[in-house]
Amino acid sequence: AQKITQTQPGMFVQEKEAVTLDCTYDTSDPSYGLFWYKQPSSGEMIFLIYQGSYDQQNATEGRYSLNFQKARKSANLVISASQLGDSAMYFCAMRGIGGSNYKLTFGKGTLLTVNP
Amino acid sequence: DGGITQSPKYLFRKEGQNVTLSCEQNLNHDAMYWYRQDPGQGLRLIYYSQIVNDFQKGDIAEGYSVSREKKESFPLTVTSAQKNPTAFYLCASTDPGQGGPNEKLFFGSGTQLSVL
Repeated sequence: AQKITQTQPGMFVQEKEAVTLDCTYDTSDPSYGLFWYKQPSSGEMIFLIYQGSYDQQNATEGRYSLNFQKARKSANLVISASQLGDSAMYFCAMRGIGGSNYKLTFGKGTLLTVNP
Repeated sequence: DGGITQSPKYLFRKEGQNVTLSCEQNLNHDAMYWYRQDPGQGLRLIYYSQIVNDFQKGDIAEGYSVSREKKESFPLTVTSAQKNPTAFYLCASTDPGQGGPNEKLFFGSGTQLSVL
């Protein structure tokens, strides 16, 4: 079984500062992928970044980077230079190879608020 | 523009009534999914379909039914057997032709279902 844990129900950050959203995971799959999605108040889920379990380097996409520590089973999202539009729910998710091949398992999310 | 269209955006159900949520995609994706989101919770998988005329139960399929008669369409019926249907419902799709855990989900904008 796969499990995603996001321990921060809510986070606050000042505009233009960096923020780290925590995510830990548990899986028995030998190969897996980790995702971060953003959900603004409109409700749609927006893909932000992906990290493969065998990728040698941490993933980056513009202001988003993923701090992947495989031994610790953590995949934290770092947002640099926060903007007001970054205020949203953020979900960590994972998919593995094997019996859960087609299932994306989500954490409970972190509500990020960016203050001006 | 390609994407996933969910309708209606808001839906109200009376006691004992079945209601159907629409999900249409023009991304030419083979796989489609239905997720349920409750306040303060992550997304939970209801049903998924990897190909036309085939679908599988997810983690919380009881009280729901689906059909996949066309590649573009994956409607979800919330039956009267679902005693707590109030939630936000998200439809998603992906192209499993890539193989592996890196297939990201594309989401619709969701349907908020409430009980009268």
